[in-house]
Amino acid sequence: DAGVIQSPRHEVTEMGQEVTLRCKPISGHNSLFWYRQTMMRGLELLIYFNNNVPIDDSGMPEDRFSAKMPNASFSTLKIQPSEPRDSAVYFCASRPQAREHYNEQFFGPGTRLTVL
Amino acid sequence: ELKVEQNPLFLSMQEGKNYTIYCNYSTTSDRLYWYRQDPGKSLESLFVLLSNGAVKQEGRLMASLDTKARLSTLHITAAVHDLSATYFCAVGQETSGSRLTFGEGTQLTVNP
Repeated sequence: DAGVIQSPRHEVTEMGQEVTLRCKPISGHNSLFWYRQTMMRGLELLIYFNNNVPIDDSGMPEDRFSAKMPNASFSTLKIQPSEPRDSAVYFCASRPQAREHYNEQFFGPGTRLTVL
Repeated sequence: ELKVEQNPLFLSMQEGKNYTIYCNYSTTSDRLYWYRQDPGKSLESLFVLLSNGAVKQEGRLMASLDTKARLSTLHITAAVHDLSATYFCAVGQETSGSRLTFGEGTQLTVNP
């Protein structure tokens, strides 16, 4: 199993540009999560999906952020326009079918975003 | 709102010593997780604790859960340098579905 796949691994962009982060969850997992990690704020949940449907987006900082999951094997997190304060590591995680609700989340390698 | 607090946030210890990291949470939970994160890397699942009194061990790490006290501990025995990392606890609730609430993390440094 390849694990959760994220791309790109590193992204450097200029303020005002659009940024799209991509995630492929582990096959068969039906929940997908987007997190942001910074030194100041720690690990924050931005949004999560169950069966491709957004369940809780209360962590999305503002309207500049949007996330989609068009199918079970792909999700995107888009920032438009980007700002320097968006610089962080963005993790995607997925979780198996919730037959047993205690299943843990499996994290991808992360995308390190730098907005200049 | 579920809150999860870890202490200490920073821990520097010598090889061979024992220490405990604490994770307190504010409301009833039905599952607790411990994750490890190496610098510049992703989070790796260490333990899943599901019931009061649950204890799990892997090498020099042992995790336990006391749901009545809303407390989990991660005990380190005879620390070695390879254990240097940041350790997170995360708490889930059936009422919150799939989401987890993470603690701030404990940055552990084991010195030779």
